[in-house]
Amino acid sequence: DQQVKQNSPSLSVQEGRISILNCDYTNSMFDYFLWYKKYPAEGPTFLISISSIKDKNEDGRFTVFLNKSAKHLSLHIVPSQPGDSAVYFCAASEENSGYALNFGKGTSLLVTP
Amino acid sequence: DTAVSQTPKYLVTQMGNDKSIKCEQNLGHDTMYWYKQDSKKFLKIMFSYNNKELIINETVPNRFSPKSPDKAHLNLHINSLELGDSAVYFCASSQGLTPQHFGDGTRLSIL
Repeated sequence: DQQVKQNSPSLSVQEGRISILNCDYTNSMFDYFLWYKKYPAEGPTFLISISSIKDKNEDGRFTVFLNKSAKHLSLHIVPSQPGDSAVYFCAASEENSGYALNFGKGTSLLVTP
Repeated sequence: DTAVSQTPKYLVTQMGNDKSIKCEQNLGHDTMYWYKQDSKKFLKIMFSYNNKELIINETVPNRFSPKSPDKAHLNLHINSLELGDSAVYFCASSQGLTPQHFGDGTRLSIL
């Protein structure tokens, strides 16, 4: 059973505009959430994280929002750049499972010039 | 200087063979992981070791045996390879609640 879901397999955005990637989870015990970016033939690269005690975390062009009551998080990229084109994975973890990551299936983002 | 390195990058072998994948991290992390990415691109945890001790062992066939000779290394040995083992295997490491750092993966193809 998949506990982390990314329902949009792909997203296309124009350069300069905002990219919004969404993620839903089912396990209320998750207390740490992360976004990873992945290029082909490379491993996932950490982008940004948020703990369950916060509802927003910002790092430059990247902002993650967490809505615990809705079990939903989103990643905002603004402004989007062509170099942001990659697959984005949402991940969640909990202390009881040693913080092993539960991944969504990823969203492929294409930023067009 | 690569933080998490896996060898080999590609592994092509026949059904029934035994193979090993090696992972090393130079970040000084206490915890190391193995993940499997299947043909549907779904990344799933297999094992986790903390200071050479197994702490997570998900539902994985016992043909898969991780070994951690020291906290900087976590190797994965697979016996009697099957077609369904074809996947990309990723090693990762972390220290406490810090984000996990991943290697570039080992692409295993079973003929």
